[in-house]
Amino acid sequence: DARVTQTPRHKVTEMGQEVTMRCQPILGHNTVFWYRQTMMQGLELLAYFRNRAPLDDSGMPKDRFSAEMPDATLATLKIQPSEPRDSAVYFCASRGGGSYNSPLHFGNGTRLTVT
Amino acid sequence: GNSVTQMEGPVTLSEEAFLTINCTYTATGYPSLFWYVQYPGEGLQLLLKATKADDKGSNKGFEATYRKETTSFHLEKGSVQVSDSAVYFCALIVNRKLIWGLGTSLAVNP
Repeated sequence: DARVTQTPRHKVTEMGQEVTMRCQPILGHNTVFWYRQTMMQGLELLAYFRNRAPLDDSGMPKDRFSAEMPDATLATLKIQPSEPRDSAVYFCASRGGGSYNSPLHFGNGTRLTVT
Repeated sequence: GNSVTQMEGPVTLSEEAFLTINCTYTATGYPSLFWYVQYPGEGLQLLLKATKADDKGSNKGFEATYRKETTSFHLEKGSVQVSDSAVYFCALIVNRKLIWGLGTSLAVNP
């Protein structure tokens, strides 16, 4: 089964440090999403890309978060500097082309703890 | 605006009990409706979907019917198992935008 792969699975860091999360979407999927999941807010869309171009990053705090797709096999989400309120599980998801009704395929997430 | 409202959890059931998780929506246009499931420590995965009114989505014994007149897409299963313990998310797509509910946690006890 093709899967979305996220690394690292867990990250503990001190506030002020840079954090980089990586995602390998399913080969051939042209849309990639970054979500943040917390108990209080549920699933929040941070950014998404189609054919590697950013289409919507309005959910992302621009002063400290950045998302890129350097190539079709890698998406990155970077936080600099990190803050305790960034502690959450970050999910990457990808979707194949053809239809907006196609299912999203999620990775298993990166659990970030900022102390 | 567009929104999805799910019943609050946690829901706790005994094995073989009947499950209903309510989901209602507000949407302009003609949304497609989805249920996703998140097992512990994993990402979400699609459980079932329905793309037009009166469609019934089904998978793994779960069912949900797209009811336009009541703007609902309630998830049901006739006999739950311990392995169904997870968080269930209702979602819709309208105007190419995906909107999520907050999720409902289900715990099934043996």
